[in-house]
Amino acid sequence: SQQGEEDPQALSIQEGENATMNCSYKTSINNLQWYRQNSGRGLVHLILIRSNEREKHSGRLRVTLDTSKKSSSLLITASRAADTASYFCATDARSGGGADGLTFGKGTHLIIQP
Amino acid sequence: DVKVTQSSRYLVKRTGEKVFLECVQDMDHENMFWYRQDPGLGLRLIYFSYDVKMKEKGDIPEGYSVSREKKERFSLILESASTNQTSMYLCASSPFWGRDGYTFGSGTRLTVV
Repeated sequence: SQQGEEDPQALSIQEGENATMNCSYKTSINNLQWYRQNSGRGLVHLILIRSNEREKHSGRLRVTLDTSKKSSSLLITASRAADTASYFCATDARSGGGADGLTFGKGTHLIIQP
Repeated sequence: DVKVTQSSRYLVKRTGEKVFLECVQDMDHENMFWYRQDPGLGLRLIYFSYDVKMKEKGDIPEGYSVSREKKERFSLILESASTNQTSMYLCASSPFWGRDGYTFGSGTRLTVV
């Protein structure tokens, strides 16, 4: 079942601007992850934030997590044409090992205009 | 470089055919997953496995089965392909205690005619 919902569905900005995408989810989580997908390809893992973390950085990426609001945001700073892709949030409700499968949102399609 | 390899990028099959989608990972991961991705519906989990010969149903297992005879290989089987199974199929893997995200294959775009 779909848990994460990204907002907006589509976003178009100029190169060099910052891009912000939001994700809301419904149930308690162990961690939340963001993935990128270039057109017609597989997903690439970008960053994982645990439920006890509030903010995490990786290069030009900044992720925040607000468990009280069940929401997360992904900020891409100084965007580049190569950032054009779809971005998905995914929630992991596991508390232990093994697999339950991540639950993905429907994605935000980001277009960076040169 | 770690890899998840899906055997085909594009497949065209006829209705009623038995279809095998193969996925191999070289990272010694315990967990493996099959998702399908459709416009407007996002990624939906079909089946997953956390060990050899173990399998668990995901959200949409109907019409599919899986096989995991070796740790590195996870096969998705469409017993009798139907047009509503036309989709992008994505395989992924992660360690048992995976806390660093999934590694995905490049996907197989299956068309059933």
